Amino acid sequence: DSGVTQTPKHLITATGQRVTLRCSPRSGDLSVYWYQQSLDQGLQFLIQYYNGEERAKGNILERFSAQQFPDLHSELNLSSLELGDSALYFCASSAGGGGYEQYFGPGTRLTVT
Amino acid sequence: ILNVEQSPQSLHVQEGDSTNFTCSFPSSNFYALHWYRWETAKSPEALFVMTLNGDEKKKGRISATLNTKEGYSYLYIKGSQPEDSATYLCALANNYQLIWGAGTKLIIKP
Repeated sequence: DSGVTQTPKHLITATGQRVTLRCSPRSGDLSVYWYQQSLDQGLQFLIQYYNGEERAKGNILERFSAQQFPDLHSELNLSSLELGDSALYFCASSAGGGGYEQYFGPGTRLTVT
Repeated sequence: ILNVEQSPQSLHVQEGDSTNFTCSFPSSNFYALHWYRWETAKSPEALFVMTLNGDEKKKGRISATLNTKEGYSYLYIKGSQPEDSATYLCALANNYQLIWGAGTKLIIKP
């Protein structure tokens, strides 16, 4: 158990809908990262927050947004969902920036029908 | 665009044999190099974070070395066991994010 929690574990929704994925980092960690893993693909970095501020952005679509709250939990919002958004979404946390190891949550499996 | 290359893409190793694989990265502006193990149906798990040229780290039967001047890192597994079957990912760190390699998929044959 990494100490990172993600909810929900599974989500099934229809195209065009909007969903919110939630992540609670490990106690004491200030950084939260969001990743997408599509079928047979590697980890795609989406976005990173550090202590409430956005610090780095990867291949995140404009339909996706995220935020980190004062209690350090983070939410990833996915809107106008398309079939291709079906994927496993991981959240990871770390104590700081790139020099710190990341602890991954169990992931949220999103299926768009 | 920074590119992190891992080779080989996949590897079949007999149980009990030792093995190693490579992570290559641009050597300029090096900050840190990460290794993770990713078992099927689980989440990636950190193995090592290395920052200094010549760094060697060890965790049980797994060890890693780092050469920042020539831009590569090796991961070694001694006496492979079935539980070592996983995808091994390396990632190059800048200040805030990791640039991930595609991974080496290791399959241990009993």
